[in-house]
Amino acid sequence: AQSVTQLDSHVSVSEGTPVLLRCNYSSSYSPSLFWYVQHPNKGLQLLLKYTSAATLVKGINGFEAEFKKSETSFHLTKPSAHMSDAAEYFCVVSDRGNKLVFGAGTILRVKS
Amino acid sequence: GAGVSQTPSNKVTEKGKYVELRCDPISGHTALYWYRQSLGQGPEFLIYFQGTGAADDSGLPNDRFFAVRPEGSVSTLKIQRTERGDSAVYLCASSQTVGYNSPLHFGNGTRLTVT
Repeated sequence: AQSVTQLDSHVSVSEGTPVLLRCNYSSSYSPSLFWYVQHPNKGLQLLLKYTSAATLVKGINGFEAEFKKSETSFHLTKPSAHMSDAAEYFCVVSDRGNKLVFGAGTILRVKS
Repeated sequence: GAGVSQTPSNKVTEKGKYVELRCDPISGHTALYWYRQSLGQGPEFLIYFQGTGAADDSGLPNDRFFAVRPEGSVSTLKIQRTERGDSAVYLCASSQTVGYNSPLHFGNGTRLTVT
């Protein structure tokens, strides 16, 4: 079965500094991987997805993620954090294309 | 356009009662998914529909949980004899087709509290 592990439950950065949210996956075949964001009292929103094309994936709001098969990782990065980035982020693997398996989430705090 | 709509946004019920949670997907989306998000955890898959039929209900925790989508649009998640452990946010999502190239659009969820 597919699974993901988000290595940090909370990450705190200062506005304007880089963001790194770490995710490792486990999959018995070539996975599809996603990052979703959840702002308070709002629905989950897709940030980006990897589906075996380019290993560096660009998403919305300046986020990107790199698929590294040798490390089974799919870390999310952003060069410069903005206050509006404060939210909870979920790393997700697709199980047979239809069922999404979510990580436990990483809460990102951005300090002014 | 309109997104996925879930009603009610909050539901408080007593242990042992029956509840129904409603999901209105985006118009034209053939696939509909239900997830449950407990406090401090990521969403967990419950069931998904392709059209009117439940294509995969392997995530339903027990036979107290049931979901329908009779006309291939609106779906209702039904929970019988609710227990305090059922308290969670129930999320609905829809997608145009099935598969990872068809992104899921999530609603804001229904927060269920069983007292």
